[in-house]
Amino acid sequence: GAGVSQSPSNKVTEKGKDVELRCDPISGHTALYWYRQSLGQGLEFLIYFQGNSAPDKSGLPSDRFSAERTGGSVSTLTIQRTQQEDSAVYLCASSIDGTTNEKLFFGSGTQLSVL
Amino acid sequence: AQSVTQLGSHVSVSEGALVLLRCNYSSSVPPYLFWYVQYPNQGLQLLLKYTTGATLVKGINGFEAEFKKSETSFHLTKPSAHMSDAAEYFCAAADTGGFKTIFGAGTRLFVKA
Repeated sequence: GAGVSQSPSNKVTEKGKDVELRCDPISGHTALYWYRQSLGQGLEFLIYFQGNSAPDKSGLPSDRFSAERTGGSVSTLTIQRTQQEDSAVYLCASSIDGTTNEKLFFGSGTQLSVL
Repeated sequence: AQSVTQLGSHVSVSEGALVLLRCNYSSSVPPYLFWYVQYPNQGLQLLLKYTTGATLVKGINGFEAEFKKSETSFHLTKPSAHMSDAAEYFCAAADTGGFKTIFGAGTRLFVKA
């Protein structure tokens, strides 16, 4: 596609429910990132995928969070047993090859609200 | 570990005034440095980046930033603010040879008429 696409744009859920957030990166981009944007906290790195390599999960805040990337393209971020502190905007980004001098292309994010 | 500090969560300027948004990084080895902007209801987009070479970097919409190794800083400036510059600005750093881009907490710029 023309840009990074994320769905849904908004998600309201009840505490304890599981949610899945989807990211469709720019076609041909081998690197994909998930960040979490909370008020006053900036962007918190969650996970990074590069090609067929094992993902770097060092930023995932707890074992309730997981992500996968199928076929080197679409990625799904799953949050199990959601808590109120999970409420945030979840941003997905992709880049051409994951080298750090390359810019990131961001999606518009998913606003997650846990009631 | 790399960290990025943006001084001031909110900055307010008058239209036509100088814009100065401050950013400092923590690593002793200069990283790659970026400024991203997030306009209301839009995704983040790159304003400018410093990788190597000239320390004064020019970006889109009249913004520029200067890398100062001695001060571990990468402040963003624009000589004359425009109403359309109102947005949130994020400074970011990425270690050379690594993959992870670390972002600051962001600075929201308000422009008064």
